[in-house]
Amino acid sequence: NAGVTQTPKFRILKIGQSMTLQCTQDMNHNYMYWYRQDPGMGLKLIYYSVGAGITDKGEVPNGYNVSRSTTEDFPLRLELAAPSQTSVYFCASSPRGPYEQYFGPGTRLTVT
Amino acid sequence: AQKVTQAQTEISVVEKEDVTLDCVYETRDTTYYLFWYKQPPSGELVFLIRRNSFDEQNEISGRYSWNFQKSTSSFNFTITASQVVDSAVYFCALSGPGFSGGYNKLIFGAGTRLAVHP
Repeated sequence: NAGVTQTPKFRILKIGQSMTLQCTQDMNHNYMYWYRQDPGMGLKLIYYSVGAGITDKGEVPNGYNVSRSTTEDFPLRLELAAPSQTSVYFCASSPRGPYEQYFGPGTRLTVT
Repeated sequence: AQKVTQAQTEISVVEKEDVTLDCVYETRDTTYYLFWYKQPPSGELVFLIRRNSFDEQNEISGRYSWNFQKSTSSFNFTITASQVVDSAVYFCALSGPGFSGGYNKLIFGAGTRLAVHP
């Protein structure tokens, strides 16, 4: 099993550009999440999904959008990138219930 | 409010020393779950342990041990005989039914960076 995979690993965007961060999991998990990690900080939840077609906002959703058309995929869309979105983005998945989350390797995004 | 505090920003030890990483949490829920994750220099997050609020038994896994004390709202992590490979950022996290969306949302502490020197 590959677990949770994310692409790209690194990306530099100019202010105002848009992009989609890809996330795929092969563990048949219902729940998927997007976090951002700013330097010296813990992870903050951007969006999460409890199943295909169902998404909800986390703590810091502004400037992002998500969709979940399949169990496996949970892309994160950045519209009109801003320097404040410079961060490392992690995707995670978990089974239903209070179980540990499995994280992808992260995407390091710089907006200049 | 739900909150996780890791007061130690950075800890530096010499190999073979024991080290304890502190984690203090706040929650109004009576049922909740606590987690520790490790983030090595390569950047990925590695799950270490999950504990539910009804199980206060200490846990030991090799050189790692965890001390959960509800009376002080703490879930501390001790590494015995530390090794250079233990160098990483360690995160404590909390999950409970009071969060919108249920148990599956994790609230992370800011992390403790542990440096183990040879």
